[in-house]
Amino acid sequence: KAGVTQTPRYLIKTRGQQVTLSCSPISGHRSVSWYQQTPGQGLQFLFEYFSETQRNKGNFPGRFSGRQFSNSRSEMNVSTLELGDSALYLCASNFLPGGTDYGYTFGSGTRLTVV
Amino acid sequence: QKEVEQNSGPLSVPEGAIASLNCTYSDRVSQSFFWYRQYSGKSPELIMSIYSNGDKEDGRFTAQLNKASQYVSLLIRDSQPSDSATYLCAVNTLNQAGTALIFGKGTTLSVSS
Repeated sequence: KAGVTQTPRYLIKTRGQQVTLSCSPISGHRSVSWYQQTPGQGLQFLFEYFSETQRNKGNFPGRFSGRQFSNSRSEMNVSTLELGDSALYLCASNFLPGGTDYGYTFGSGTRLTVV
Repeated sequence: QKEVEQNSGPLSVPEGAIASLNCTYSDRVSQSFFWYRQYSGKSPELIMSIYSNGDKEDGRFTAQLNKASQYVSLLIRDSQPSDSATYLCAVNTLNQAGTALIFGKGTTLSVSS
């Protein structure tokens, strides 16, 4: 079956712009989580959506937002981009939220570079 | 803030040796624990999950959990050069909004042939 699909794979943006990243989960998975990965901070939890509702949020500024659609696809948006937002953004999906069962399956990620 | 701690490494072992990776966590109510492997330039892939105290074996991998001491470990027997990667410990953690899967920063393993 198809895995978690993230688009685009690579993105270059200018400071101050905004960006939208997309994630399509594995068929049947209703939980989608987003993570930011940088060499210094590792994988940091951004937020999690389940059945179109944000059920949890990490410690990131309000410039980072997301949503989930009725088909479980999710988007995350970053407004007013800063150089420090350059990172690999990973999406992960699961049947249930909270990481309480089988663990998450990750997509290939979107590499965002802010110049 | 709830944390998951790992030694960053690098941990270097010769081919055929046992690699031991350790992880501690701060949330006493955590119930689910995972090990992910991440090759350079790739996304993390799940290799082990453990929910109860004790050992869980899967092929060359053994996960060990001690909830009283709040640590999780991963043993890799007969290490191969293809095991060279960063290993991420993940723990489901309770924050103010609910549970979330929180990751350590990872331990880099290098297996030399």
